Amino acid sequence: AQSVTQLGSHVSVSEGALVLLRCNYSSSVPPYLFWYVQYPNQGLQLLLKYTSAATLVKGINGFEAEFKKSETSFHLTKPSAHMSDAAEYFCAVSYGIPSGYSTLTFGKGTMLLVSP
Amino acid sequence: DGGITQSPKYLFRKEGQNVTLSCEQNLNHDAMYWYRQDPGQGLRLIYYSQIVNDFQKGDIAEGYSVSREKKESFPLTVTSAQKNPTAFYLCASSIRLNTEAFFGQGTRLTVV
Repeated sequence: AQSVTQLGSHVSVSEGALVLLRCNYSSSVPPYLFWYVQYPNQGLQLLLKYTSAATLVKGINGFEAEFKKSETSFHLTKPSAHMSDAAEYFCAVSYGIPSGYSTLTFGKGTMLLVSP
Repeated sequence: DGGITQSPKYLFRKEGQNVTLSCEQNLNHDAMYWYRQDPGQGLRLIYYSQIVNDFQKGDIAEGYSVSREKKESFPLTVTSAQKNPTAFYLCASSIRLNTEAFFGQGTRLTVV
């Protein structure tokens, strides 16, 4: 079964600092990987996705993530945090398998706090 | 505008009553999903459907039921058998199962 681990339920940064949110996945087949953002009382919005093309994926709002197969990681980064980045972030994994396709499995989320 | 519409945004019900949450999409997606979100637990899959008139149980289907009579619609019924129904419910859709999912704005259900 696929799974995702997000290290740190809360991450605090200062405005202008580097944002690093960690995601590790378990896999026996090549994964598809996603990062979503959720603002309070709203649905999830896709930030970026990896589907076996370039290992460095650029997304919206200046975020990017790098797929590292050797580390089974897909960490999310942004060079300079803005106050508007404060939200909860979810990593998700899915697979295309010979007998069908898997649904997305989500991590437990990381709340990003940005201080002035 | 294409998207997913969930209604209502807030819902209050008395314990022991069944309640149905609406989800409609105009993205022409085949797959639709219901997730439950509780603080600190991420998203947990309740039910999903790959095609009209077919649906599968997810990880926490007990106490819930769904139907998929139309491609655009995937309503979720929270029955009285669900022991702890108060939660934030999210509906989503995708082209197929393993592709990116698009989410509605959610329904917050409170059972008193």
